[in-house]
Amino acid sequence: NAGVTQTPKFQVLKTGQSMTLQCAQDMNHNSMYWYRQDPGMGLRLIYYSASEGTTDKGEVPNGYNVSRLNKREFSLRLESAAPSQTSVYFCASSAGTGEGQETQYFGPGTRLLVL
Amino acid sequence: AQSVSQHNHHVILSEAASLELGCNYSYGGTVNLFWYVQYPGQHLQLLLKYFSGDPLVKGIKGFEAEFIKSKFSFNLRKPSVQWSDTAEYFCAVNARAAGNKLTFGGGTRVLVKP
Repeated sequence: NAGVTQTPKFQVLKTGQSMTLQCAQDMNHNSMYWYRQDPGMGLRLIYYSASEGTTDKGEVPNGYNVSRLNKREFSLRLESAAPSQTSVYFCASSAGTGEGQETQYFGPGTRLLVL
Repeated sequence: AQSVSQHNHHVILSEAASLELGCNYSYGGTVNLFWYVQYPGQHLQLLLKYFSGDPLVKGIKGFEAEFIKSKFSFNLRKPSVQWSDTAEYFCAVNARAAGNKLTFGGGTRVLVKP
């Protein structure tokens, strides 16, 4: 059972380049999330999608866009990468927002270095 | 907006020692509480969670946490740690009125010496 998968695992970009991080889940979950993890700051929510067809900003959305392609897939795009976006990016999913459905399951992460 | 604070950034202890990691949150409404663990080179895994009921929650690998509503705390404990418990531990809070958005603490790196 794959759970939440992310590609790529590692990426090096030059400032100004663009890229898309891919995320897919096979648990038939309704909600999906993108976080970034920086030392000493825990995980911060970038964007989330409560259900297919909806997306909303999280705590740190600037410089990012997302697409909920279908129920399984949720991509994160950096249009013009900046060194401040060097981080580890995690995708997560949850069954929904109803009571008992809030537990989030995380993917393995993407390490991004912007030079 | 809710916030989560973890008191210790780094903890070093020997095998068989007891572990307690503090977590406090700031939100006055109903919350769901979580502890996640991240082993070196791995992704976050759920250790335990509290939604309602008994405030003493037992999780995997011998961990437990106690929700003290009056103190806005959800401290993680393990009576006797093993070398394999070396990891980073994250407390997270979901305010039910805010949908399913999780707010994470800054994490505590735990090193267990053999």
